[in-house]
Amino acid sequence: TQLLEQSPQFLSIQEGENLTVYCNSSSVFSSLQWYRQEPGEGPVLLVTVVTGGEVKKLKRLTFQFGDARKDSSLHITAAQPGDTGLYLCAGALSGTYKYIFGTGTRLKVLA
Amino acid sequence: GAVVSQHPSWVICKSGTSVKIECRSLDFQATTMFWYRQFPKQSLMLMATSNEGSKATYEQGVEKDKFLINHASLTLSTLTVTSAHPEDSSFYICSARPRGRRPDTQYFGPGTRLTVL
Repeated sequence: TQLLEQSPQFLSIQEGENLTVYCNSSSVFSSLQWYRQEPGEGPVLLVTVVTGGEVKKLKRLTFQFGDARKDSSLHITAAQPGDTGLYLCAGALSGTYKYIFGTGTRLKVLA
Repeated sequence: GAVVSQHPSWVICKSGTSVKIECRSLDFQATTMFWYRQFPKQSLMLMATSNEGSKATYEQGVEKDKFLINHASLTLSTLTVTSAHPEDSSFYICSARPRGRRPDTQYFGPGTRLTVL
């Protein structure tokens, strides 16, 4: 059973478009992270959110943690080809700092 | 800072042999290291958590006798895939949690691609 479901699974968009990736669960997380992974490499941390309702911005990326700490979203504004990659959310179940990864969203931004 | 290395970066072996993968924190001490497996086009699956000086904790469904983990020092953890079979072919990634930092901090290695023929 996958604790963290991401949607969409795949996304192919044109440069300049906006997009949102969702990460959903029925479990409560003490913290949640978003990563981007390039083929053949390890994931790179983008952000960590710990408070319900928290919103963090990283240039064109906006991350939100759900009020109940069960879900999160990643919004990218004016996507660029350099944003192409596999986006992964990872949540730490309450009481632990062991992260469980989501199913992943593969994004391709076309020039 | 906060660099994690893995060696080898890729390995090809024959079915039935054992393969050791090293995970090193180069510029920090890691109290805990995590081992993940990633199949093509899929997400990362946590295999086990290793703490320096103690036995690793394995996730459900992961055979501890097949995937031997040793965390002998604060900068090194090793994963040995014993009697490897083609279905063990995967991308193995480690992460390290630095000593003295927030417990939700972890740094990932670049991964090791294992192909079993």
